[in-house]
Amino acid sequence: DQQVKQNSPSLSVQEGRISILNCDYTNSMFDYFLWYKKYPAEGPTFLISISSIKDKNEDGRFTVFLNKSAKHLSLHIVPSQPGDSAVYFCAAGVYGGATNKLIFGTGTLLAVQP
Amino acid sequence: DTGVSQDPRHKITKRGQNVTFRCDPISEHNRLYWYRQTLGQGPEFLTYFQNEAQLEKSRLLSDRFSAERPKGSFSTLEIQRTEQGDSAMYLCASVPGQGNTEAFFGQGTRLTVV
Repeated sequence: DQQVKQNSPSLSVQEGRISILNCDYTNSMFDYFLWYKKYPAEGPTFLISISSIKDKNEDGRFTVFLNKSAKHLSLHIVPSQPGDSAVYFCAAGVYGGATNKLIFGTGTLLAVQP
Repeated sequence: DTGVSQDPRHKITKRGQNVTFRCDPISEHNRLYWYRQTLGQGPEFLTYFQNEAQLEKSRLLSDRFSAERPKGSFSTLEIQRTEQGDSAMYLCASVPGQGNTEAFFGQGTRLTVV
């Protein structure tokens, strides 16, 4: 069972425009969410996170929105840059759980065209 | 470099051979995770250590897999009698301690079983 879903395998955006990456989850126990960026042959790099007590968190060009009732979150990148081209993973966890392990989605490949 | 370090970066082995990977977490981090990523998938949790104690193992971790973290510092992941299905990227991540959610990943070990 896929508890974290990223239904768009890929996304292409023009440089300077907004990139919106989406993520849905099914487990209502998740109470924190993270976005990671991954280049080929490298490990994931943390981008931004959000706790379930918030509905928005912003860090520079990156903003994450959380809609708990819809079990949906999204990552907005504004403005998009060619260096943002990578695979983006959404991840979720249960704060205070025994392990705090992360459950990842399958990723979205973002291509930012110059 | 004070990040998470994994060795080797790449490993090609013949089916049936044993392999061992090493992870050196960020020094003050007492929580360490192993994940596995296959093509087209997000990282999947394998096992978790808090200091030297292995507190959780995924059902993905068959009897051929064993992980250790002696003295709560570096960790090793051994796969015995490798199979082609073991081919994947093996990722190590560390987290500072309870109350923290952001996992810092190493660059991974790419295993190819031929």
